[in-house]
Amino acid sequence: GAVVSQHPSRVICKSGTSVKIECRSLDFQATTMFWYRQFPKQSLMLMATSNEGSKATYEQGVEKDKFLINHASLTLSTLTVTSAHPEDSSFYICSALPGRGSNQPQHFGDGTRLSIL
Amino acid sequence: DQQVKQNSPSLSVQEGRISILNCDYTNSMFDYFLWYKKYPAEGPTFLISISSIKDKNEDGRFTVFLNKSAKHLSLHIVPSQPGDSAVYFCAATARGYALNFGKGTSLLVTP
Repeated sequence: GAVVSQHPSRVICKSGTSVKIECRSLDFQATTMFWYRQFPKQSLMLMATSNEGSKATYEQGVEKDKFLINHASLTLSTLTVTSAHPEDSSFYICSALPGRGSNQPQHFGDGTRLSIL
Repeated sequence: DQQVKQNSPSLSVQEGRISILNCDYTNSMFDYFLWYKKYPAEGPTFLISISSIKDKNEDGRFTVFLNKSAKHLSLHIVPSQPGDSAVYFCAATARGYALNFGKGTSLLVTP
């Protein structure tokens, strides 16, 4: 149980392109999903918290107009990197939190490797 | 500001022996701690967790110890197996939401 699917797994595109990444909880409902970014040899850094039916909460330094998050249902959150540039190249990972209670593990997707040429 | 620290970037252990991975944190508000295992090009997989009201949690070969006064936790794997070779991330959260991750420790278990 607790499977999170993230798609696509890898994207290579030209500078200026917008890229959409999907995160789905396959066997549970997730009121809250999270988007992280990981640089080489670094820890996962939280970008934003996505709550179903409301606006995402962005961490300091993350441009909300650059990284558009939509959490339209209890099983799907999307991250759109708008007008991507080479500095946006990174590994993006989503996670989902089952239920509403605290002290539960987040379950992660397999990540999306984004490469902007 | 790194609130969760894993000071050993790598660890090598012989098969059958104990692996001990360490983690320190600075935020006293953290009340839930987790260990994740990660293979290259995959997302982290949840391994084991511990609430701040406990000092030990065991699940098969994996045991997590929490020392709140020292703001330290550790993951013990015994016996270690070659399939345990991966990067292990320590994470902590306050009130069960956003996770703060350490930089990870790469464990290599040799036959």
